[in-house]
Amino acid sequence: QQQVKQSPQSLIVQKGGIPIINCAYENTAFDYFPWYQQFPGKGPALLIAIRPDVSEKKEGRFTISFNKSAKQFSLHIMDSQPGDSATYFCAASIYGGSQGNLIFGKGTKLSVKP
Amino acid sequence: DAGITQSPRHKVTETGTPVTLRCHQTENHRYMYWYRQDPGHGLRLIHYSYGVKDTDKGEVSDGYSVSRSKTEDFLLTLESATSSQTSVYFCAISQGTTYNEQFFGPGTRLTVL
Repeated sequence: QQQVKQSPQSLIVQKGGIPIINCAYENTAFDYFPWYQQFPGKGPALLIAIRPDVSEKKEGRFTISFNKSAKQFSLHIMDSQPGDSATYFCAASIYGGSQGNLIFGKGTKLSVKP
Repeated sequence: DAGITQSPRHKVTETGTPVTLRCHQTENHRYMYWYRQDPGHGLRLIHYSYGVKDTDKGEVSDGYSVSRSKTEDFLLTLESATSSQTSVYFCAISQGTTYNEQFFGPGTRLTVL
């Protein structure tokens, strides 16, 4: 119930391509879904987040798509660049539950080839 | 790194020795967290704090203890380090407002020989 399943584990795309990373969850009480970006040797950085009352959120080249009925959400990176090469983590939490502790997916290592 | 520092940044120690990692924040955020990151496991919560002297266990708390005597400092202690505790440890902070936006520190790489 508390798991967040993330796929794929790794992804290679060409520059300009649109990598898509998917996450699925079981607990319908989750109401906050952030994505984190992590570069080697650095801490994860909050990239973008969505609530279940909207189906899509865009920030620059990054878009979250959310499908409440399927209990799935995904990250799309438009016009991907080599600088986007990083590991991406999805997460989910319940506002007010255990102080809103985040449950993380296991991560996707993205490589964008020039 | 959102006003968060971790010390030390790297540490090598031997099995059975005590180890303390420090997280320091300048944001005056109420909530602080300790995670460990291992290949294939993502980020797993060890302990968290919701105020001075208020702490609770996370998913992988066995073998770890924490203390928070000041808002700005959150200490993680391995009483007797084991090789299975070799990992990268991240501290995170949150205001705990409407949604739990957490901001992470730079991490501590711990190797237990």
